[in-house]
Amino acid sequence: KQEVTQIPAALSVPEGENLVLNCSFTDSAIYNLQWFRQDPGKGLTSLLLIQSSQREQTSGRLNASLDKSSGRSTLYIAASQPGDSATYLCPERGDQGGSEKLVFGKGTKLTVNP
Amino acid sequence: GAVVSQHPSWVICKSGTSVKIECRSLDFQATTMFWYRQFPKQSLMLMATSNEGSKATYEQGVEKDKFLINHASLTLSTLTVTSAHPEDSSFYICSALVVAKNIQYFGAGTRLSVL
Repeated sequence: KQEVTQIPAALSVPEGENLVLNCSFTDSAIYNLQWFRQDPGKGLTSLLLIQSSQREQTSGRLNASLDKSSGRSTLYIAASQPGDSATYLCPERGDQGGSEKLVFGKGTKLTVNP
Repeated sequence: GAVVSQHPSWVICKSGTSVKIECRSLDFQATTMFWYRQFPKQSLMLMATSNEGSKATYEQGVEKDKFLINHASLTLSTLTVTSAHPEDSSFYICSALVVAKNIQYFGAGTRLSVL
């Protein structure tokens, strides 16, 4: 059974700090990994996509890495801002019979205090 | 990035009525869309996979006769919650798969409140 664990479950930091969010998954044959953020009561915004052949992806202040052998991915946020406050999700996905299902954990709830 | 529009964003209905939620891919064609449900402080749970031109594939425990899915065109999938009850109150989110990029784009979600 596919399962995603995100650590920490919640994180509160002062503005300007650099921080790391961790994600572990059970399927070593992971196809790719997509990081999302979800604002309260809203849908999901895609942040970064790492293909299984890649080790990391960067977008602005965000950097995500993928280690398939250990079943882990990390999201690094540099110089955090209050606008970064959201729940961050790294659903596991796999290619099952041609369909792309996503299995979500509970995410990491980030609060960046001004 | 691709845009997925979900409508309505919020709906309140009486118990026993049916509610239809629309999910549209605005600038791309999506043969595959997904419907998720999220209860407060819980994870998103996949309900079903919507396939254009064919029957939806439901996850275990999801009643296909209660949650009717129609994907009649390449840009529109609808989820109808039939005979809604208060326990169906939840946040429903759809996503559309861009096959070429292997990325899912999500709608903004629909908050359903059944009185």
